[in-house]
Amino acid sequence: EIVLTQSPATLSLSPGERATLSCRASQSVNSYLAWYQQKPGQAPRLLIYDASNRASGIPARFSGSGSGTDFTLTISSLEPEDFAVYYCQQRSNWQTFGQGTKVEIK
Amino acid sequence: EVQLVESGGGLIQPGGSLRLSCAASGFIVGNDYMGWVRQTQEKGLEWVSIIYSGGGANYADSVKGRFIISRDISKNTLYFQMNSLRVEDSAVYYCVRGLGARPLAGVWGQGTTVTVSS
Repeated sequence: EIVLTQSPATLSLSPGERATLSCRASQSVNSYLAWYQQKPGQAPRLLIYDASNRASGIPARFSGSGSGTDFTLTISSLEPEDFAVYYCQQRSNWQTFGQGTKVEIK
Repeated sequence: EVQLVESGGGLIQPGGSLRLSCAASGFIVGNDYMGWVRQTQEKGLEWVSIIYSGGGANYADSVKGRFIISRDISKNTLYFQMNSLRVEDSAVYYCVRGLGARPLAGVWGQGTTVTVSS
């Protein structure tokens, strides 16, 4: 099983700041890495797929990068609605998720 | 509008069976990958099953041999038959639609809660 490790567990930032979230895979997943956002009481929402492609309707402030085992989700300037939990998911070998990074208001 | 609406969750004793349904609208279930993803506080998100557009299916090791995914194209509905339920199967179960032919969760239902307890 491919294990995805996200860091940090919690990120405390203020609106307008830049957020950088990391996801590391236990073995190469090529570019088959996605990012989701989940707000309390809601289902997750797909943000980024295949490492760097924004899903439909996702604002340009969200961007993804990386390949192989190291990936990054960047939120260029945090909006109030961006404070949430973010998960990465690989589809190279079955489908597994990371444990999540919570982006909270500082 | 593309929408997924799950039903069928509830409280069930260990060893029991439950069938989840996911009614789809705005697209045809037979044209895309569909799946079930579950979530718990302890384990987080776990992809448990997928059905491909061609009809084949696959399962996580944790549910293989106990759960069966299926679809009824005439009803545009996805199903999840869960047998021999265990306490550790307790979770919120989400129905998801793949992104084209990619096993990604491009669209999610609202989730249905399954609680396995005596």
